Amino acid sequence: QKEVEQNSGPLSVPEGAIASLNCTYSDRGSQSFFWYRQYSGKSPELIMSIYSNGDKEDGRFTAQLNKASQYVSLLIRDSQPSDSATYLCAVPGTYGSSNTGKLIFGQGTTLQVKP
Amino acid sequence: EAGVAQSPRYKIIEKRQSVAFWCNPISGHATLYWYQQILGQGPKLLIQFQNNGVVDDSQLPKDRFSAERLKGVDSTLKIQPAKLEDSAVYLCASSFIRESTFGSGTRLTVV
Repeated sequence: QKEVEQNSGPLSVPEGAIASLNCTYSDRGSQSFFWYRQYSGKSPELIMSIYSNGDKEDGRFTAQLNKASQYVSLLIRDSQPSDSATYLCAVPGTYGSSNTGKLIFGQGTTLQVKP
Repeated sequence: EAGVAQSPRYKIIEKRQSVAFWCNPISGHATLYWYQQILGQGPKLLIQFQNNGVVDDSQLPKDRFSAERLKGVDSTLKIQPAKLEDSAVYLCASSFIRESTFGSGTRLTVV
């Protein structure tokens, strides 16, 4: 069974700082990685996907993937109070030997951005 | 494009009662998922459909949970009888290729 590990936090950063969220995964064969943001009482929203080693930038968000070390991270630059949420890391799961498209989630890291 | 629709938003029932949730995926999305999210945890897959066929129901407690997706569009998830530990948010998601979009979820409280 694939596993995804995240520090549950909370991670507290001041407004304007860089927030760094980390995730490790157990299956060395994982090829796709997703970061979802979930506001309290709301559903998960996809904010970043990354498929190859290195960095992928989208606005204030940067996803970093290191397959050799089996970790993926999310950096949020110029953090804003509106970024306060739980960030879920996910990798595709399998049924038998087939990649079915389902997602295996970590428990999420709660980020608090203080004004 | 319209998102994934779910109803009801909230439901409170007594243990041993039954409950049903409804989901309408994004138009054209062949794959539909039901996830259970217990407070403080990440979502966990209960069942996955491809069109109207079940792909993966390995984590579905089949003695009390059932789901169907007639005509390959809408889906219903049922719990009968409910237990206290079923209190959670039930999320429906759909996907076209690789990226899943979630509905707003149904928050179930079993008392």
